[in-house]
Amino acid sequence: QSALTQPASVSGSPGQSITISCTGTSSDVGSYNLVSWYQQHPGKAPKLMIYEVSKRPSGVSNRFSGSKSGNTASLTISGLQAEDEADYYCCSYAGSQFGGGTKLTVL
Amino acid sequence: QVQLQESGPGLVKPSQTLSLTCTVSGGSISSGGYYWSWIRQHPGKGLEWIGYIYYSGSTYYNPSLKSRVTISVDTSKNQFSLKLSSVTAADTAVYYCARAYSSSWYFRYWGQGTLVTVSS
Repeated sequence: QSALTQPASVSGSPGQSITISCTGTSSDVGSYNLVSWYQQHPGKAPKLMIYEVSKRPSGVSNRFSGSKSGNTASLTISGLQAEDEADYYCCSYAGSQFGGGTKLTVL
Repeated sequence: QVQLQESGPGLVKPSQTLSLTCTVSGGSISSGGYYWSWIRQHPGKGLEWIGYIYYSGSTYYNPSLKSRVTISVDTSKNQFSLKLSSVTAADTAVYYCARAYSSSWYFRYWGQGTLVTVSS
């Protein structure tokens, strides 16, 4: 069982916005601004999308944004595109755990 | 551009030791500032962090695997390695090596992953 809780699945239509939550505890997500998010397409290695809660690596679309409130971090994808369909994982410092992953379906 | 590449047997017999090596190019393991990590993914499942090593040799392992895991580093070859002992079918997974930024704990660079199957 993952220390970080994510919804198993989310869906949205092209152009819409979706948010994926990642709930931890006051010992991990709540204590450190060190949450990262990864996108994984089938058969591929994970790709870093967000780090330190809300920072985007170079080359990542600004349609991806991150935030945190209390013990819950969130990844928001705006202007959904078909290519965004993938699995998404959060990760937090302390505990060195990944979330269980969320499958995003673009309808 | 940093690149990581896993290598090792794709098939391991039960009770034996799984051994993988990650070769790093485009950057030196000895430069410091990073945790060189192993992460695995069981078929159709999520990511599981196995452990990491710092260039100095300091290690930290997932408590659930700690008794069976050894991660080592060879700075002369710019490689780090994973050994997982007493494997069972439950250790069948895709194994990734990755680089974590030590001060921020995020994985910017990943290997492509290698599937290791445990079967007789």
